[in-house]
Amino acid sequence: AAGVIQSPRHLIKEKRETATLKCYPIPRHDTVYWYQQGPGQDPQFLISFYEKMQSDKGSIPDRFSAQQFSDYHSELNMSSLELGDSALYFCASSLPDRRDEQFFGPGTRLTVL
Amino acid sequence: AQTVTQSQPEMSVQEAETVTLSCTYDTSESDYYLFWYKQPPSRQMILVIRQEAYKQQNATENRFSVNFQKAAKSFSLKISDSQLGDAAMYFCAYTAQGAQKLVFGQGTRLTINP
Repeated sequence: AAGVIQSPRHLIKEKRETATLKCYPIPRHDTVYWYQQGPGQDPQFLISFYEKMQSDKGSIPDRFSAQQFSDYHSELNMSSLELGDSALYFCASSLPDRRDEQFFGPGTRLTVL
Repeated sequence: AQTVTQSQPEMSVQEAETVTLSCTYDTSESDYYLFWYKQPPSRQMILVIRQEAYKQQNATENRFSVNFQKAAKSFSLKISDSQLGDAAMYFCAYTAQGAQKLVFGQGTRLTINP
């Protein structure tokens, strides 16, 4: 079965650089969610999109932005990277009538040096 | 605000035995969903089991079952016949009906002793 695809899987950046994370949801899933999991922490909700519109917003820094495109893939853009942004970034997706059931991608591990 | 609490940072169990992981939550909502996710060393988040709050019957998935106590706001996970592959971090999570985000507990690291 098809799963959520995230790219890249690993990313190393320097402080103050920018990074773009991509997420391709499971086919027919129209809602995408982004979570950040710091070392030894639980995942924290960042932002979600439904039908290309932002649907909910969590603890996402102003330096981050995201969008969902017409093919439902989503990108998380991170600027002015800080050491504290080093984390595992998960994307999840859900079906239109099953937003209670989110399927997670493998995550992108971002390391900021 | 909704909160999820897992009071057991670490648990261990002998292979083939049964273990129960605890979770409590706080919400003022009446309709919501509860989940247990497994995160093995690969860091993949894998859905283990889900429970709808309006259902009184406890959810089961093979060796995994929950004890859902709505009045007590408790949602524990029981793993029967523990296997080495069950070793992982387990997260309890909550989402309200119609909400977008999952709220996670702090996690319980489960070790299986051979």
